[in-house]
Amino acid sequence: EIVLTQSPGTLSLSPGERATLSCRASQSVSSSYLAWYQQKPGQAPRLLIYGASSRATGIPDRFSGSGSGTDFTLTISRLEPEDFAVFYCQQYGGSPRTFGQGTKVEIK
Amino acid sequence: EVQLVQSGAEVKKPGESLKISCKGSGYNFTNYWIGWVRQMPGKGLEWMGIIYPGDSDTRYNPSFQGQVTISADKSISTAYLQWSSLKASDTAMYYCARSVGGYYDYWGQGTLVTVSS
Repeated sequence: EIVLTQSPGTLSLSPGERATLSCRASQSVSSSYLAWYQQKPGQAPRLLIYGASSRATGIPDRFSGSGSGTDFTLTISRLEPEDFAVFYCQQYGGSPRTFGQGTKVEIK
Repeated sequence: EVQLVQSGAEVKKPGESLKISCKGSGYNFTNYWIGWVRQMPGKGLEWMGIIYPGDSDTRYNPSFQGQVTISADKSISTAYLQWSSLKASDTAMYYCARSVGGYYDYWGQGTLVTVSS
């Protein structure tokens, strides 16, 4: 099983700042099969990024993904008030599929 | 418009059985895998398993194998997650989601299952 470790656990930032979230895999994720999701309180997760760097339909371009192998990053270039939430990475290159434990981006 | 609509919240006692549902619409239900994800209170997301409604091919996370059963009825575009004997530790929000090559592009609204004596 591929274990995904996200860091930091919590990121305290102000609107307008840049957020950089990390997702590290215990073994290489084949073909960059790595996705990112955003989850707000009381809501289902929403797909942001798939294939490590492809934005899902309707996702603003302030969200970007990068990385390969075992190290992946989600960047939010300028935080908007609606961006504060918990973010999860998920790998789909191995079975079982696994999620990271999440990074909470909170308002400073 | 693609939609996954899940059945409503449930309150059950330990030892009882339960089957929750996820109905797809707005796309060809038989052509996409449907996955189930658990979220325990205040915790992260856990991948439980997945089913291909076209032929009911099912894969389980070993952590959930034998604990739940995933099924689907393609004639009514509905996937199911069921328990034969609930435990208090099954208390969680359960999401279904449509899989596209392994990631999940559409999610149901979630079904809250509470197991308490």
